[in-house]
Amino acid sequence: DTEVTQTPKHLVMGMTNKKSLKCEQHMGHRAMYWYKQKAKKPPELMFVYSYEKLSINESVPSRFSPECPNSSLLNLHLHALQPEDSALYLCASSQDLGSIGNTIYFGEGSWLTVV
Amino acid sequence: DAKTTQPPSMDCAEGRAANLPCNHSTISGNEYVYWYRQIHSQGPQYIIHGLKNNETNEMASLIITEDRKSSTLILPHATLRDTAVYYCIVRVLGTTDSWGKLQFGAGTQVVVTP
Repeated sequence: DTEVTQTPKHLVMGMTNKKSLKCEQHMGHRAMYWYKQKAKKPPELMFVYSYEKLSINESVPSRFSPECPNSSLLNLHLHALQPEDSALYLCASSQDLGSIGNTIYFGEGSWLTVV
Repeated sequence: DAKTTQPPSMDCAEGRAANLPCNHSTISGNEYVYWYRQIHSQGPQYIIHGLKNNETNEMASLIITEDRKSSTLILPHATLRDTAVYYCIVRVLGTTDSWGKLQFGAGTQVVVTP
């Protein structure tokens, strides 16, 4: 089972709203990731968590706030977003950051539209 | 991590082998070659990876040249469901200190036609 589950699949939010994207994996992976993908562009890394601690923040604006409540869950809290933040948000996980078997598995993504 | 160069698009006839080239002339000795694909509106799907030996799995084969400066992903019998963007990525593996970001390039849009 190499499944990463993301909810919701689609989200429409206003610029003053607060919402969250959720991600779950039950593969025992200890590294989890958020990527952002704009239309017709490749995915871009946003955050990396390793053993529930934030390891990498790719200079993402503070209106995006990640959270890793346990080893299976990863959230992305959204607040005061702009229309240009509309994109596909991808969650991914891997065994850990450093091992040879570090294949990264992606979820199907959450489509976010900011109006 | 080294950069990769892929053709922007290619067509392939259904049932034929699809050979997807990737150039990574600045690859380092500790960098692996990874291939992912992304079918429209879905998340990227892992296909295969390798260091210097050729690799094969149920999805594809990966042929890496002896000097490791280029590689070819082979889909042996392309189907319509193989229509996707294919990404060739090189990244470091080994230790947490040298964690290699999975950094996507532009990829190759492959269209399989009947």
